[in-house]
Amino acid sequence: GENVEQHPSTLSVQEGDSAVIKCTYSDSASNYFPWYKQELGKRPQLIIDIRSNVGEKKDQRIAVTLNKTAKHFSLHITETQPEDSAVYFCAASIGGGGADGLTFGKGTHLIIQP
Amino acid sequence: NAGVTQTPKFQVLKTGQSMTLQCAQDMNHEYMSWYRQDPGMGLRLIHYSVGAGITDQGEVPNGYNVSRSTTEDFPLRLLSAAPSQTSVYFCASSYLKQGARSTGELFFGEGSRLTVL
Repeated sequence: GENVEQHPSTLSVQEGDSAVIKCTYSDSASNYFPWYKQELGKRPQLIIDIRSNVGEKKDQRIAVTLNKTAKHFSLHITETQPEDSAVYFCAASIGGGGADGLTFGKGTHLIIQP
Repeated sequence: NAGVTQTPKFQVLKTGQSMTLQCAQDMNHEYMSWYRQDPGMGLRLIHYSVGAGITDQGEVPNGYNVSRSTTEDFPLRLLSAAPSQTSVYFCASSYLKQGARSTGELFFGEGSRLTVL
């Protein structure tokens, strides 16, 4: 089955700086890559996703890049703010691009220092 | 729309007891699933269903049973609770990828925190 590795497990950045979280996946058939944000005590929620026919996608301060050759995708957050503090999960889906079959990474705890 | 509703939010069990975590969704999603979340382990898939009458195992199915008698409900049963099942459980649902309505987004419930003593 699919295996998703996520790094780092904890990331601390100064408010206003950028944050980058990286994930690799093992199955070249995966073609859907979402990112979820989970605030403390809350449920995970989708913040951005990318499909394999696209190399980059941006939504205001967040962006995701995909390198299919390297089987690597990353989340970029610019101009970080206190409300960005949360745990972020990457995920990959095999053969279809839907939520069924999602394999999640272990998560990155992003800490925004004032 | 209430979205995905899980009950109970908190539960304490003794080893060997049984219980059922309830999950209901009102979005007419075909796909429903159960995840467990443990510190440093991310979200691990327990069981999932792609429609009424159809269930399948995920990554960590041992010790759990599910059934899907209706589109709306997907209960998770622990037949004989063990301390290793202490965790936060999330139910999640979505449209199937084959459907025209599918965006791929997984909608999560608020979670159920289970402690097994």
